Amino acid sequence: DAGITQSPRHKVTETGTPVTLRCHQTENHRYMYWYRQDPGHGLRLIHYSYGVKDTDKGEVSDGYSVSRSKTEDFLLTLESATSSQTSVYFCAILDPPERNEQYFGPGTRLTVT
Amino acid sequence: AQKITQTQPGMFVQEKEAVTLDCTYDTSDPSYGLFWYKQPSSGEMIFLIYQGSYDQQNATEGRYSLNFQKARKSANLVISASQLGDSAMYFCAMREGRDDKIIFGKGTRLHILP
Repeated sequence: DAGITQSPRHKVTETGTPVTLRCHQTENHRYMYWYRQDPGHGLRLIHYSYGVKDTDKGEVSDGYSVSRSKTEDFLLTLESATSSQTSVYFCAILDPPERNEQYFGPGTRLTVT
Repeated sequence: AQKITQTQPGMFVQEKEAVTLDCTYDTSDPSYGLFWYKQPSSGEMIFLIYQGSYDQQNATEGRYSLNFQKARKSANLVISASQLGDSAMYFCAMREGRDDKIIFGKGTRLHILP
């Protein structure tokens, strides 16, 4: 158990509203990731972080922003939610260099109506 | 261009048989790592196995092994003696040495038949 929690676990929101998803880890991992999972697409990387205040874009970053002001928290914000952002969002951490294992949070199911 | 390709959208395998799930990748970076994950119907993502590009031996973890063929750019997951509980989606992913992104393939759905 890598001690990763995500909140909220489920959210329904309306188009145009801002939404923030939180990923929290308890084991001081440097690398954190946000993915979205949609049928037929597998997991697609949105943003990732390699340290406090160090973040970079992934494959599908448009419409999303992130912040990491503390090691343990990685926030994903949808500035103005759209229906195309309805998805399951997963946070993950990477545990290098000894093991190179990536562990995931339980996911957040977001529905934008 | 797709960097990780999983060509088998679905597979049906008899229980106790060995299973090979295909994964090919594309990179020009000499340093990279390959990951495999399992996602059961309950939805959680489970890390299975990792192979580094400089690792001399194929990675193994219990019933899971990675058939790493560098020249062919393939990193197939082999599950020995399959069990009903192996029924799940399986994802291959890659991390290139030049950055810290981990990119996934689209997955293969494995069905184990009793």
